[in-house]
Amino acid sequence: DGGITQSPKYLFRKEGQNVTLSCEQNLNHDAMYWYRQDPGQGLRLIYYSQIVNDFQKGDIAEGYSVSREKKESFPLTVTSAQKNPTAFYLCASSIEWRNSPLHFGNGTRLTVT
Amino acid sequence: SQQGEEDPQALSIQEGENATMNCSYKTSINNLQWYRQNSGRGLVHLILIRSNEREKHSGRLRVTLDTSKKSSSLLITASRAADTASYFCATPGGNNRLAFGKGNQVVVIP
Repeated sequence: DGGITQSPKYLFRKEGQNVTLSCEQNLNHDAMYWYRQDPGQGLRLIYYSQIVNDFQKGDIAEGYSVSREKKESFPLTVTSAQKNPTAFYLCASSIEWRNSPLHFGNGTRLTVT
Repeated sequence: SQQGEEDPQALSIQEGENATMNCSYKTSINNLQWYRQNSGRGLVHLILIRSNEREKHSGRLRVTLDTSKKSSSLLITASRAADTASYFCATPGGNNRLAFGKGNQVVVIP
């Protein structure tokens, strides 16, 4: 079955440590995205990639970094510079950049203490 | 980025009743999307309606779009307990980046 896999589902880290969240898709989609969701809030865009080897900052990119070396993979690193990293992180992909429905993974809940 | 705003924010209904929620947006769009999110899970795409469409159906879901009022509605008919979820509208914003509203929590009581 095609889909998006995010791992791990739960992640715990100490303050000051960098952590990388995994996102893999086998849908052959060009575009991939990372969103952050806080309780009772909508989704906020962190980074997006329209095509392999290219990515752009979203609305809240500070303290995060990404890479897109393979079409299937779009890992997100939460760095120690991110002031409030505890959140639910969602990865998504779409066939193309514009006007396409997004397919989401089931998220990674990151807790930093 | 442009955001849709859902209304009402929370809705509690009995199984079998219809649930209606609305979404408003600020600038011109070429499409609007609705998504569902079950607790602790990712979002699932429900319907995409284009700016030249006024109504669209998918199973028990009916979406309308009124571009003159910059609003959309999502109707769930004959609701089931499994419809309990948060529902989000999303619109393309600056650079075509999809912007999501804060969501509308629907609880269907069996």
